[in-house]
Amino acid sequence: QKEVEQNSGPLSVPEGAIASLNCTYSDRVSQSFFWYRQYSGKSPELIMSIYSNGDKEDGRFTAQLNKASQYVSLLIRDSQPSDSATYLCAVNPFNSNSGYALNFGKGTSLLVTP
Amino acid sequence: EAGVAQSPRYKIIEKRQSVAFWCNPISGHATLYWYQQILGQGPKLLIQFQNNGVVDDSQLPKDRFSAERLKGVDSTLKIQPAKLEDSAVYLCASSRQGGPEAFFGQGTRLTVV
Repeated sequence: QKEVEQNSGPLSVPEGAIASLNCTYSDRVSQSFFWYRQYSGKSPELIMSIYSNGDKEDGRFTAQLNKASQYVSLLIRDSQPSDSATYLCAVNPFNSNSGYALNFGKGTSLLVTP
Repeated sequence: EAGVAQSPRYKIIEKRQSVAFWCNPISGHATLYWYQQILGQGPKLLIQFQNNGVVDDSQLPKDRFSAERLKGVDSTLKIQPAKLEDSAVYLCASSRQGGPEAFFGQGTRLTVV
């Protein structure tokens, strides 16, 4: 089973600060990487996707990918209490058998305090 | 664009009973996934369909779980008989053919007592 590792947290940051969430993966042939946000009692919501090394920015969110280090991260700038949720890292270990099925980490719980 | 629809939202059954969940994917999405999410864990893939064919069911406990996707649109997931450890949220997701971005429905929370 290919592993996707995340620190379960909780990660606590003050409102307005930068939250940094990290994820490592074991399958070197992984092609695409995703961050999902999951509020308590709700389903995962796709917030970022990244496919190539480097940074990708979308509003207050920046995803960073380093395939050589097998590492992907999510930065949330100007964190708001509404960002408090569990953030799931998902990796696509594409192969001819599984197609695009995502392999998820256990998630990191983020708490943004006012 | 309507999202992934699932029903029911909640279900409570006794162990050894059977239960079925229904999913309607986003219109035009060829790929459909069923995931199981146990409290405190990330979603785990149970089965993946491409149109009405099974792509991957390697983690589906086939002695008690079954799934079908007739006509390549709606899908049902069945558990028979249920065990206590099946208590989880069952998530349906869909994606465009050839695209990895998956979008989730609201899920069905199953409690087995």
